[in-house]
Amino acid sequence: DAGVIQSPRHEVTEMGQEVTLRCKPISGHDYLFWYRQTMMRGLELLIYFNNNVPIDDSGMPEDRFSAKMPNASFSTLKIQPSEPRDSAVYFCASSFGGGTEAFFGQGTRLTVV
Amino acid sequence: QKEVEQNSGPLSVPEGAIASLNCTYSDRGSQSFFWYRQYSGKSPELIMFIYSNGDKEDGRFTAQLNKASQYVSLLIRDSQPSDSATYLCAVDSGNTPLVFGKGTRLSVIA
Repeated sequence: DAGVIQSPRHEVTEMGQEVTLRCKPISGHDYLFWYRQTMMRGLELLIYFNNNVPIDDSGMPEDRFSAKMPNASFSTLKIQPSEPRDSAVYFCASSFGGGTEAFFGQGTRLTVV
Repeated sequence: QKEVEQNSGPLSVPEGAIASLNCTYSDRGSQSFFWYRQYSGKSPELIMFIYSNGDKEDGRFTAQLNKASQYVSLLIRDSQPSDSATYLCAVDSGNTPLVFGKGTRLSVIA
């Protein structure tokens, strides 16, 4: 298996623009997680899905953030409009079971200028 | 609020020494404990997990768990410069996402 695949790897955008991050989880995994990592706050859980259904989005910082998982092999995290404070590395991870090892994608480094 | 605490470091050790990384957690019901390693600019990768009290060894790595003290540690024997990375402790309390600490940055000096 190729592992968790995220795209793009790097994104630079201007404040106010819409940003869409994409993730393909490992085939057969039933949980998908979106994390954000910054130096100050570490690795923060934004939202997670179980069998394509959003379970907990309490970590989503604002209404500007939204996530979808239309099928078992694809998820998106959208920020609209983006702001400079959204600059961070966004990781997607998947697992088989909720409390088991999470496998991380390579991350998307987002810079909002 | 489930919390996982780690000393942010940096922890500097000379090459060949033992590096000791520590982690405490708040949820007494926690069942599974994971150590991830994250190189600069890379994603976290699992290096050890432990479920039972006591020690678990894997090569140069030993994970130690003390549920009564709500404490888990990672020992790296014969530390190498290639071990220099940030080590993240993660805790599970059931069928929920892992809760991560902020990580300890380890620097192994040649």
